[in-house]
Amino acid sequence: AAGVIQSPRHLIKEKRETATLKCYPIPRHDTVYWYQQGPGQDPQFLISFYEKMQSDKGSIPDRFSAQQFSDYHSELNMSSLELGDSALYFCASSLGLAGREQFFGPGTRLTVL
Amino acid sequence: AQSVTQLGSHVSVSEGALVLLRCNYSSSVPPYLFWYVQYPNQGLQLLLKYTTGATLVKGINGFEAEFKKSETSFHLTKPSAHMSDAAEYFCAASRGGATNKLIFGTGTLLAVQP
Repeated sequence: AAGVIQSPRHLIKEKRETATLKCYPIPRHDTVYWYQQGPGQDPQFLISFYEKMQSDKGSIPDRFSAQQFSDYHSELNMSSLELGDSALYFCASSLGLAGREQFFGPGTRLTVL
Repeated sequence: AQSVTQLGSHVSVSEGALVLLRCNYSSSVPPYLFWYVQYPNQGLQLLLKYTTGATLVKGINGFEAEFKKSETSFHLTKPSAHMSDAAEYFCAASRGGATNKLIFGTGTLLAVQP
C-alpha cells in the first residue's frame, strides 16, 4: 500500500539559510499535518491543512510557512534557519478530520550547522 | 487544555513477560486516543486507536489497549513481549474536528531483555 512520502530524507543547512520540505500524502487523503520532533522529544504539532486550506496552527515559528497544493501535496518552507531548528520533521496525512487516524511519513532529518 | 501523560519514560521487561505501558489523558470530553510505535530513525506507526464504541481495542503485533473513562486512562498491554517490541511508544490524543492535531505524551522507551 502507498504510504506518505517525504523528501528529502536528510538535509543539512547552514544558519540563516532556507529549507523546503515536501510531503506527498497517501492517495485520496485530503488532510496533511506537520510535526517537529527534537532529539529525545515527543512530536510537536506545527500546522495542518484540509482541502488546501489551513485547518489548524500550532507552535510554528513565524519564520516557517506552509501550504497545500491542488494535488494535495504540501511544502514546509523554513527561512532564517537557527541551530534549534535541527530536528526530525514528520508529515502525516488522513482522510478527513474528526478523529481520523493519521499516517506518518518517514520524516526529514534537518541538521542546521 | 488537553494533555497526555505517560508514566515511566523507560520500561524494561523480560522476553515473554507482560508489557504494560501507561497513558492518562486530561480532558473534559473524552478524546480520540492512539498508540504509536517508533523504531530508531523511523517514522511513527499506528498500533491502535480508540474513537467510539468498544472500549477494548486490539491492534497490530498482539497489542491491545482499554479505554477507561472513569480513570481517564488508555494503557497499552501485550501478554508476551518479544525482542522485536523494543522501541519507543507514544500515546496521543486528538479532539477531532478542525483541531484533529495529535497531542503526544513524552513517550516510553521499551527495552526487552533476553
